[in-house]
Amino acid sequence: QKEVEQDPGPLSVPEGAIVSLNCTYSNSAFQYFMWYRQYSRKGPELLMYTYSSGNKEDGRFTAQVDKSSKYISLFIRDSQPSDSATYLCAMQAGGYQKVTFGIGTKLQVIP
Amino acid sequence: DAEITQSPRHKITETGRQVTLACHQTWNHNNMFWYRQDLGHGLRLIHYSYGVQDTNKGEVSDGYSVSRSNTEDLPLTLESAASSQTSVYFCASSEAGGRNTEAFFGQGTRLTVV
Repeated sequence: QKEVEQDPGPLSVPEGAIVSLNCTYSNSAFQYFMWYRQYSRKGPELLMYTYSSGNKEDGRFTAQVDKSSKYISLFIRDSQPSDSATYLCAMQAGGYQKVTFGIGTKLQVIP
Repeated sequence: DAEITQSPRHKITETGRQVTLACHQTWNHNNMFWYRQDLGHGLRLIHYSYGVQDTNKGEVSDGYSVSRSNTEDLPLTLESAASSQTSVYFCASSEAGGRNTEAFFGQGTRLTVV
């Protein structure tokens, strides 16, 4: 079993839809949770970062962490074609610990 | 603007050859990382460095080496390229402090070993 599980998709939604992207994990030591966005043939870029449990909102994006269920989510409201990309979750246990990435979910927003 | 650049962007090499991929960052970050990205595996850590003269093995380090002689550069060397090392390679950097929460990635190098 992988430490971080993520459905690779692809996920196709119409423009304006609410998108839900998820990851589960098995390592209860993870404390830092990140979402990266990766456009085709580009490097990943940090989208959201959350420490421990709770929600964090940034514009149309909301990140949620449920440590009791070992489950994290990224919600995208009013999705746009420019949101079409691969979204990678990433997790880290603590200082000087390596970051473990999910395999990424490919999202396509149809105009 | 500060940036992180990788070169070359594309490389085709033959089995058994030594190959070096360059990574240069102008963020003045102490932490630098090399990952490979493959379908079905996501990003996997090859080597990383927390400062000049510091290098550490990641989860898939066999057949790879790095050296850190200055803050800006972390070249990745494939000692004897193998077809299993065909992949997309990403370099990343982040500030010191251990928490790699805001890593900045390069554009990637697509390496094909034939």
